[in-house]
Amino acid sequence: NAGVTQTPKFQVLKTGQSMTLQCAQDMNHEYMSWYRQDPGMGLRLIHYSVGAGITDQGEVPNGYNVSRSTTEDFPLRLLSAAPSQTSVYFCASSYSFTGTSAGELFFGEGSRLTVL
Amino acid sequence: AQSVAQPEDQVNVAEGNPLTVKCTYSVSGNPYLFWYVQYPNRGLQFLLKYITGDNLVKGSYGFEAEFNKSQTSFHLKKPSALVSDSALYFCAVRDGGGSTLGRLYFGRGTQLTVWP
Repeated sequence: NAGVTQTPKFQVLKTGQSMTLQCAQDMNHEYMSWYRQDPGMGLRLIHYSVGAGITDQGEVPNGYNVSRSTTEDFPLRLLSAAPSQTSVYFCASSYSFTGTSAGELFFGEGSRLTVL
Repeated sequence: AQSVAQPEDQVNVAEGNPLTVKCTYSVSGNPYLFWYVQYPNRGLQFLLKYITGDNLVKGSYGFEAEFNKSQTSFHLKKPSALVSDSALYFCAVRDGGGSTLGRLYFGRGTQLTVWP
C-alpha cells in the first residue's frame, strides 16, 4: 500500500539552486496536486493536474513548474530557489476530478525544504 | 472567490467533553465541504465531506459535521473527545461548479488539544 510517495523528505538548498520534488501515486488517480504548508497559512495550492498532459496553476504558482507525462508521476520543479520557498510541500491525489468523490485527497508524507 | 475561515487557532477541551471546531466558507456556487486531520510530521488525512443531502454528516473516528447553508458554516463536532484526537484540523471547500473545479481551498487550521 504505497499510496502517494514523495521524495526527498528533507532538502536544503542555497538561493538560486534548482531542484525537483518527486511525487508518485499507485492508485491510478487522475487528479494530482501540490500544496505548500506554512505556519498560520494553512495549505496553499501551487499547481494541479486533472490527467496526463494537463496541468493548471493554483493560488501560488510563481517560481514553480510542473509537468504530467504519466498518470503516476507529478514532479514539482523549483527553478531558482528563494528563501521564501522554505516550506513543507505536500503532494496529493484524488480518484476523480469531478463528481461526489472529488476533494477526497490522499496526501503524501511531505517534503521539508529549506532555502538558505 | 472561494475561501475558508477557521476562526480559532486553538481549541482546548477535556477528555470526555464534547468538542467543536468551527469553519465558515464562501463559494460562488454549491459548496463541497471537507474536514481533514493532520498529526505531527504527517500528511493530511480525510475525515468527512458534505456534498449534498443530510446536513449532518458522519465521518471517521466518531467525528461528525453539520452543514448550515444560511450561516455558511460547516462545524466539526464530536460528542466525547479523546486525548488521541489532539491534532491539527483543516476545513476545506471547493466550488461544485464553475471554472475552479480543480481547486480545493483550505483554512488555516485549528490546533485541537484534548487534555486528560
